[in-house]
Amino acid sequence: SSELTQDPAVSVALGQTVSITCQGDSLRNYFASWYQKRPGQAPVLVIYGKDNRPSGIPDRFSGSSSGNTASLTITGAQAEDEADYYCHSRDSSGNHLEVFGGGTKLTVL
Amino acid sequence: EVQLVESGGGLVQPGRSLRLSCVASGFTFSSYWMHWVRQAPGKGLVWVSRINSDGSTTTYADSVKGRFTISRDNAKNTLYLQMNSLRAEDTAVYYCARVFYSGSSRWFDPWGQGTLVTVSS
Repeated sequence: SSELTQDPAVSVALGQTVSITCQGDSLRNYFASWYQKRPGQAPVLVIYGKDNRPSGIPDRFSGSSSGNTASLTITGAQAEDEADYYCHSRDSSGNHLEVFGGGTKLTVL
Repeated sequence: EVQLVESGGGLVQPGRSLRLSCVASGFTFSSYWMHWVRQAPGKGLVWVSRINSDGSTTTYADSVKGRFTISRDNAKNTLYLQMNSLRAEDTAVYYCARVFYSGSSRWFDPWGQGTLVTVSS
């Protein structure tokens, strides 16, 4: 089981706003990063740190955090945003290991 | 262009070995910690192993500890994953990734395209 918990699936109407959440104890002290994963393709970083987007990632993607929950928000979802999304942070142990959430399948209707 | 390219995957029988490679380009490979992450068919991303910049420190997920060995050759800009005593549950696409650590943040960027390892008789 993962130390970061995500809803397995979320849907959003085209052009609407959706938030994907990630819960875990380590998120009280550490930021999550977020990755978009399409079938057959490599994961792509979309958000890191407090709310940073790598070059080339549309500004409709944003990140936030509160307590033990990190959120990825897509404002004005597009058809091409349909993908799996994974959060990532460190674990709750003293070993500073990496951990991923179980992933959220985003469907754009 | 910053790029990671994996190779070495394939079909292997249970109990046998396989070595994956990941060639880096477009950045100073020797300055970064590197990781392996895998994704089994129909499952999520799972962290496998990491190595520090000079190769002196390695860490493994419990599921592969004692069977897998991560290493690197900074002169060749190449990361390796030696996988021994392979099991059916090791079947997955294996990705290498560069990691950034900054204060309370960590992130992987970029990722390689992945190499498929299938363990089956």
